[in-house]
Amino acid sequence: ELKVEQNPLFLSMQEGKNYTIYCNYSTTSDRLYWYRQDPGKSLESLFVLLSNGAVKQEGRLMASLDTKARLSTLHITAAVHDLSATYFCAVRSGGSNYKLTFGKGTLLTVNP
Amino acid sequence: NAGVTQTPKFRVLKTGQSMTLLCAQDMNHEYMYWYRQDPGMGLRLIHYSVGEGTTAKGEVPDGYNVSRLKKQNFLLGLESAAPSQTSVYFCASSYATGHTEAFFGQGTRLTVV
Repeated sequence: ELKVEQNPLFLSMQEGKNYTIYCNYSTTSDRLYWYRQDPGKSLESLFVLLSNGAVKQEGRLMASLDTKARLSTLHITAAVHDLSATYFCAVRSGGSNYKLTFGKGTLLTVNP
Repeated sequence: NAGVTQTPKFRVLKTGQSMTLLCAQDMNHEYMYWYRQDPGMGLRLIHYSVGEGTTAKGEVPDGYNVSRLKKQNFLLGLESAAPSQTSVYFCASSYATGHTEAFFGQGTRLTVV
C-alpha cells in the first residue's frame, strides 16, 4: 500500500527566506506531482516529475525527485506573500495499479 | 475546452437520501479519480478508474459506488447519505502516459444533515 508523507504540515516563514518541503513515499511510483491549493479553491498543478534526478523550476519554486530515496522536495526561494497556500505532493503507483495518492499537504504562510 | 467539470457544485442532503455526483472530462483521459477532502486529512481516494467499464476501490470506498460507462464520465453515488460524508469532493483525470498533470474539477461541497 502506497503511503505518502509530507513534512512539515505547517510552515510559517518570513518574506525573503528560503525553505524546503519534503515528500517521502513508500513504494515504487511512475510519477510524482506537486499541486497548490488556495482556500476554497481547486488544485492547481505546479510540477510533474517522472524520472530520477528530475528537477523543475517555476519562479521561486523548484521541485526535484530522487526515486532511489523515494523522496521529492519543493524548494521555496526568497518567499513572497503570494506563495501562501497549501502545497500537496501526489504519487502515482507504478506497475498495474495506478492509484494517485496524496500527502496531507503543507500549509504555508508567508509573513511580511 | 472545459477540462474537468463537476456537477453539482453545492448540495445539501438529508441523512438517508441518495445522490449522484457527475464528473465529465473532455480531454480523452484514460484515468479518472474521485477524492474527498476533509480538514487536516488531505485528499483521500474514494474510487478510481483506469478505463471505460473499469473501476477500483481507493482508500475510503465504503458508502460510495461508482460507474464509468463512458470514457468521459465518472459517476460517484451515495446510496444512503450519512453526516460523515459531509465533505468537499474532487474529481480528477489524467492520461495514462506522457508528461502531463492530473487535472482537477472545481469540487462539490456536500453537506449531509
